[in-house]
Amino acid sequence: EAEVAQSPRYKITEKSQAVAFWCDPISGHATLYWYRQILGQGPELLVQFQDESVVDDSQLPKDRFSAERLKGVDSTLKIQPAELGDSAMYLCASSSRDAVTDTQYFGPGTRLTVL
Amino acid sequence: AQTVTQSQPEMSVQEAETVTLSCTYDTSESNYYLFWYKQPPSRQMILVIRQEAYKQQNATENRFSVNFQKAAKSFSLKISDSQLGDTAMYFCAFMKPSRAQKLVFGQGTRLTINP
Repeated sequence: EAEVAQSPRYKITEKSQAVAFWCDPISGHATLYWYRQILGQGPELLVQFQDESVVDDSQLPKDRFSAERLKGVDSTLKIQPAELGDSAMYLCASSSRDAVTDTQYFGPGTRLTVL
Repeated sequence: AQTVTQSQPEMSVQEAETVTLSCTYDTSESNYYLFWYKQPPSRQMILVIRQEAYKQQNATENRFSVNFQKAAKSFSLKISDSQLGDTAMYFCAFMKPSRAQKLVFGQGTRLTINP
């Protein structure tokens, strides 16, 4: 069964350093989502792509976070500089073009710890 | 803005018992989708069940069923004949049909099934 791939699974960094996370959605899925899940809370959407275009990045802290999906396939989420409050699980999800009737499939996530 | 509230941070039941997880939401929309997602320990989030607001019939998936009360804005999940593998965090989520089809999650309920 096809799955959403994410790497790394775990990342420890010091504050003010740069970090990057990678996501490879299920093949053929046009829509890709990045969520942040703080421990003990539900995920919150950071950014959504439809193919290579950003559909919603209203909750993305653009002063330090950036996301790209250059060829409309895999995606990278970057944080620079990392802050202590960025410690969280970063989840990637993908869905087919009609997400209303399709399901968002989630990857295993990248757990970030900022020291 | 839509909000989703799960008032039970933790629940614990014995194997084979029936358990109900509560969820309420706030929205001014008339058409929307509701979901229950399951996040097992150290594993990715998976969809348990989906409900379309325009459908009066409650959704069911094997041992999982929902009680959707649109007027009360309530969406509870019932797990029958609970199994050890049901141990997980359960998240209620809301989605408004639009180009930006983001999921709005509740805080989650940690469910433990005891042998």
